[in-house]
Amino acid sequence: GAVVSQHPSWVICKSGTSVKIECRSLDFQATTMFWYRQFPKQSLMLMATSNEGSKATYEQGVEKDKFLINHASLTLSTLTVTSAHPEDSSFYICSARPTDRDGGEQFFGPGTRLTVL
Amino acid sequence: GQNIDQPTEMTATEGAIVQINCTYQTSGFNGLFWYQQHAGEAPTFLSYNVLDGLEEKGRFSSFLSRSKGYSYLLLKELQMKDSASYLCAVSDSNYQLIWGAGTKLIIKP
Repeated sequence: GAVVSQHPSWVICKSGTSVKIECRSLDFQATTMFWYRQFPKQSLMLMATSNEGSKATYEQGVEKDKFLINHASLTLSTLTVTSAHPEDSSFYICSARPTDRDGGEQFFGPGTRLTVL
Repeated sequence: GQNIDQPTEMTATEGAIVQINCTYQTSGFNGLFWYQQHAGEAPTFLSYNVLDGLEEKGRFSSFLSRSKGYSYLLLKELQMKDSASYLCAVSDSNYQLIWGAGTKLIIKP
């Protein structure tokens, strides 16, 4: 149990275009989902916390107008990178926290590798 | 402030035992997690400790001392596939995970 999927697993796009990444909890409900970014050989960086039915909470330094987050249901959150630029190329990972569990455990999706040309 | 410390890199020999330490200072405590992350992949859950003591799960064990703000992950009978980064994370008073920078474990034959 506790499987999280992400789609697409990798994407290559041109500079200036927008890219949408989906994160789904397949066998549990998640009121809260998280979006992370990881550059090569660096640690996970939390970008934002996504709560179902409300606005996402962004970490300091993350542009909310550039990284649009929508958490429309208890099993789906989306991250849209708008007007992507080469510096946005990174490994984007989502995680989901089961609604019915204590302690804050998060289950991770497999990640999406974004390359902006 | 909130802080998680773990060694940057460790090296061990196949078949041996290695202990990865983690110390933390956080606002509140709702448990400590260990995740494994292979290069180019997302983290996978290894263990969760919320009470003091040792939790054993196969070749992996995790220990917690809340009074000392200290945990360790113990890996026994090391295999080459255990080469990965090991991430320590603490759930704070808001159930937000505070992440350590990770410990890269290199296994040599």
